[in-house]
Amino acid sequence: QKEVEQNSGPLSVPEGAIASLNCTYSDRGSQSFFWYRQYSGKSPELIMFIYSNGDKEDGRFTAQLNKASQYVSLLIRDSQPSDSATYLCAVHNYGQNFVFGPGTRLSVLP
Amino acid sequence: SQTIHQWPATLVQPVGSPLSLECTVEGTSNPNLYWYRQAAGRGLQLLFYSVGIGQISSEVPQNLSASRPQDRQFILSSKKLLLSDSGFYLCAWTVAGGYNEQFFGPGTRLTVL
Repeated sequence: QKEVEQNSGPLSVPEGAIASLNCTYSDRGSQSFFWYRQYSGKSPELIMFIYSNGDKEDGRFTAQLNKASQYVSLLIRDSQPSDSATYLCAVHNYGQNFVFGPGTRLSVLP
Repeated sequence: SQTIHQWPATLVQPVGSPLSLECTVEGTSNPNLYWYRQAAGRGLQLLFYSVGIGQISSEVPQNLSASRPQDRQFILSSKKLLLSDSGFYLCAWTVAGGYNEQFFGPGTRLTVL
């Protein structure tokens, strides 16, 4: 069974610090990787996706992918209280359904 | 641009009553459509997905069913709700095929009493 694992948290970081969220996956054939942010009571919102090994930066967010280690991470620089949410990692293999991790709850302390 | 709608936003239903949740997508053709359920404090559970009109695949056997009567319309139904059906129901879409990202609707919060 294909699995995506995340530390459930909560991960607490002070305002202005770097938050590091990690995700591992079991399907070595996975080809695309996504990070979603979900505020309490709201639906998931796509914030980053990455297809190739290495880093991808978008504003304060950086996604990192290492297919050999089956590991994907999300870094949030200059964390703000508004970044406090649950972050879901999702993995997709072509022609198959998305597999979501259970999410990591991030708390940014003012 | 593409938009996905779900209604109702919230719903409180008694055990044994029927259910119909609707999802529509605007601004795209022939999307792949998905129904997920998220129980309180839990991850996303894929319930159904559809690659075209009338084509429904079920991931988890249960008392729910899905239909796709039109290209951009996806309906989740039940004839008799159970207490365990309570949760946050999310519709999502992707462009058919490829590596494309998945986008979620605003969700329906269902409470079965």
